[in-house]
Amino acid sequence: KNQVEQSPQSLIILEGKNCTLQCNYTVSPFSNLRWYKQDTGRGPVSLTIMTFSENTKSNGRYTATLDADTKQSSLHITASQLSDSASYICVVSGNTGGFKTIFGAGTRLFVKA
Amino acid sequence: KAGVTQTPRYLIKTRGQQVTLSCSPISGHRSVSWYQQTPGQGLQFLFEYFSETQRNKGNFPGRFSGRQFSNSRSEMNVSTLELGDSALYLCASSLNQPGGFNTGELFFGEGSRLTVL
Repeated sequence: KNQVEQSPQSLIILEGKNCTLQCNYTVSPFSNLRWYKQDTGRGPVSLTIMTFSENTKSNGRYTATLDADTKQSSLHITASQLSDSASYICVVSGNTGGFKTIFGAGTRLFVKA
Repeated sequence: KAGVTQTPRYLIKTRGQQVTLSCSPISGHRSVSWYQQTPGQGLQFLFEYFSETQRNKGNFPGRFSGRQFSNSRSEMNVSTLELGDSALYLCASSLNQPGGFNTGELFFGEGSRLTVL
């Protein structure tokens, strides 16, 4: 069964601290993995897109890593800001008997002053 | 370049009514997909259209339907509304069918928030 599991479900950190969000997937064969940020009541916005051959990709204070062998990805946020409070969604696409895009349930991040 | 536009942004309906939501993709994008998001739930895939053809469909009842026009604009319809249909409905467009030879990045609209009373 194709699945995308994210952890933790929610996370509270202090402003200025770093944090790492995890995404494990079983989608195979793998096409690409994306991280999205979704502010409350808004549409998700893309942070990074990674294909099979990419191990790491950065977007400002956001750095995503991918280990295609273990089917794991992480999103590291450096020097968190209050505006980082949002849901972070991992999305994995693959061609499994017809193309599929599987969404993780997301990690809800709260950054406190 | 204008982003994905969804209308209406907010609407309130009563049980048994039907609703039509509209999505205008980014110019040049031919793939449009729809998602339902309820409080505390992840995005649930409804269906995807590419060049006016439904390419993929999620596990939703037949009350949920959609279509895509020749200009790539898309609509989704929910008939015989139920209380559980209250949700944020998101539309996303992409340049090609996601997962093809391109990255298939999804660009989301701000969503249509439906409340069923």
